[in-house]
Amino acid sequence: ETGVTQTPRHLVMGMTNKKSLKCEQHLGHNAMYWYKQSAKKPLELMFVYSLEERVENNSVPSRFSPECPNSSHLFLHLHTLQPEDSALYLCASRPDRAGGNSPLHFGNGTRLTVT
Amino acid sequence: GENVEQHPSTLSVQEGDSAVIKCTYSDSASNYFPWYKQELGKRPQLIIDIRSNVGEKKDQRIAVTLNKTAKHFSLHITETQPEDSAVYFCAATTGNQFYFGTGTSLTVIP
Repeated sequence: ETGVTQTPRHLVMGMTNKKSLKCEQHLGHNAMYWYKQSAKKPLELMFVYSLEERVENNSVPSRFSPECPNSSHLFLHLHTLQPEDSALYLCASRPDRAGGNSPLHFGNGTRLTVT
Repeated sequence: GENVEQHPSTLSVQEGDSAVIKCTYSDSASNYFPWYKQELGKRPQLIIDIRSNVGEKKDQRIAVTLNKTAKHFSLHITETQPEDSAVYFCAATTGNQFYFGTGTSLTVIP
């Protein structure tokens, strides 16, 4: 049990499809993240939400659309993706508290393949 | 923004030997440095972290050192075991944004 659950684990979609990735955390954290992990590249930050407000958006293409309805749930809506978007998408959470740093807790990721 | 570089990209050691992975960062405001281990097909997991007010931290066979002046930090694994084989990532952060290195693939040869 990781505390951060991502579904689905694997997703294959065509370039014209619309799909959504889901993340749920059971750790009582108030900050949630989407990262993209591609081979030979560092983990790329896509979006950060703190207290359900988006605080960072790292110039991610508009074909990726995040949604954070509450502090326990995070979605990544996908539409008209490109083959180069194929990657492992990792969700993470952490307690965002003033005056201290705390680590990210990752989910197991969704392996996305765009055909 | 912050730039984190990590070396080496691959590392092979004999079981029982030590392994050292090094990272440098560019933003002197970074104040928290976690290390993650990712086994094949699994999520990254925190193995040790260090804050900028500390120079060294140890947890059993794993230790991390931080040199704020030189802006580099290192992971040391002693008495390596086959189950230490994985990809290791360093990271640096000043707050919400975590910047990761490109990873080191460690293989421990039995």
